[in-house]
Amino acid sequence: SQQGEEDPQALSIQEGENATMNCSYKTSINNLQWYRQNSGRGLVHLILIRSNEREKHSGRLRVTLDTSKKSSSLLITASRAADTASYFCATDGGNLIFGKGTKLSVKP
Amino acid sequence: GAGVSQSPSNKVTEKGKDVELRCDPISGHTALYWYRQSLGQGLEFLIYFQGNSAPDKSGLPSDRFSAERTGGSVSTLTIQRTQQEDSAVYLCASSSFSGGDEQYFGPGTRLTVT
Repeated sequence: SQQGEEDPQALSIQEGENATMNCSYKTSINNLQWYRQNSGRGLVHLILIRSNEREKHSGRLRVTLDTSKKSSSLLITASRAADTASYFCATDGGNLIFGKGTKLSVKP
Repeated sequence: GAGVSQSPSNKVTEKGKDVELRCDPISGHTALYWYRQSLGQGLEFLIYFQGNSAPDKSGLPSDRFSAERTGGSVSTLTIQRTQQEDSAVYLCASSSFSGGDEQYFGPGTRLTVT
């Protein structure tokens, strides 16, 4: 059964705007990871946040984790057209379990 | 260093034929995973190898699917008597140690069953 569920399923914004994607999960986790996928091919790891962390930054990415609500958010600031991709959260309760992803479109 | 590689990148086969998909993980990575992704969908876990332990086959959708990992390195995913619903992108990933670590993905094999 699927663990992570991303929201929204699709998001369209203008270049320069911020993009926020959310992920909810059901069971306790060791960590939560966000991945990016271009054109239906291999995924690229973006960031990992552990269950005892609440917020993490990497460049223009900001990830939060609320274990009480079993949810995480990924914020991409000052978006660029090159950020257009699908973004997946993956939860680790042993093996990684991926959600269905949010398809982000950034228009120049 | 080299990343995860997969071959072939694309495979078109007729219904009922067998196919073999190959994955070369990053050297030294002990964990290897196979996923399947249908068009516009998320990743569906298929199988997980960790070192010399027995693989976790819990995600394999039917007994037509099998995988092996020889010498703790290269892995082959075999689909026997392919069906049209097997059409998907098959992704392989490896990680340095355990199931919860960052995974490094290959570019995938796009399988089309006609």
